[in-house]
Amino acid sequence: EAEVAQSPRYKITEKSQAVAFWCDPISGHATLYWYRQILGQGPELLVQFQDESVVDDSQLPKDRFSAERLKGVDSTLKIQPAELGDSAMYLCASSFEGQASYEQYFGPGTRLTVT
Amino acid sequence: DQQVKQNSPSLSVQEGRISILNCDYTNSMFDYFLWYKKYPAEGPTFLISISSIKDKNEDGRFTVFLNKSAKHLSLHIVPSQPGDSAVYFCAASAGYGNKLVFGAGTILRVKS
Repeated sequence: EAEVAQSPRYKITEKSQAVAFWCDPISGHATLYWYRQILGQGPELLVQFQDESVVDDSQLPKDRFSAERLKGVDSTLKIQPAELGDSAMYLCASSFEGQASYEQYFGPGTRLTVT
Repeated sequence: DQQVKQNSPSLSVQEGRISILNCDYTNSMFDYFLWYKKYPAEGPTFLISISSIKDKNEDGRFTVFLNKSAKHLSLHIVPSQPGDSAVYFCAASAGYGNKLVFGAGTILRVKS
């Protein structure tokens, strides 16, 4: 069964350092989402791509976060500089355009700890 | 402003009994609702969904009920099994292709 791949699974970094996460969606899925999940809360959308274009980045802290999906396939989310409050699970999801169920498929996530 | 609320942080149920997880929403533009299950160290996994044009959807042991007038939905698991122990997230979407808005989740523990 096709899955969304993410790496790394775990990342520990010091504050003020740069960190990057990678996501490879399910093949054929045009829409890609990055969510952030803080412990005890539900996932919250950071950025949504349709192919290589950003559809929604209203909740992305653009002073320190950036995201790209250059060829409309895999994607990278970057934080520079990292802050203590960025410690969270970063989840990538994808969905197939035309899929009537609204269903999004999630990867295993990257657990970020900022010290 | 929490548009999707799961007011019960946790629920404990005996194996074989019914588990009922509740979810309330405030945004009347939501037209599709989903339940996801999440195990530790894994991403959320889609469980079941319901369109706003329906009031019930069933899939095996899982049934979701939607009460639009009350802006309330619930997930019923019958019978509950120890493997159902996980965090359950309610999510809603206001239009096809739009983002999912998640509740904070409910931890379900099924005791054997």
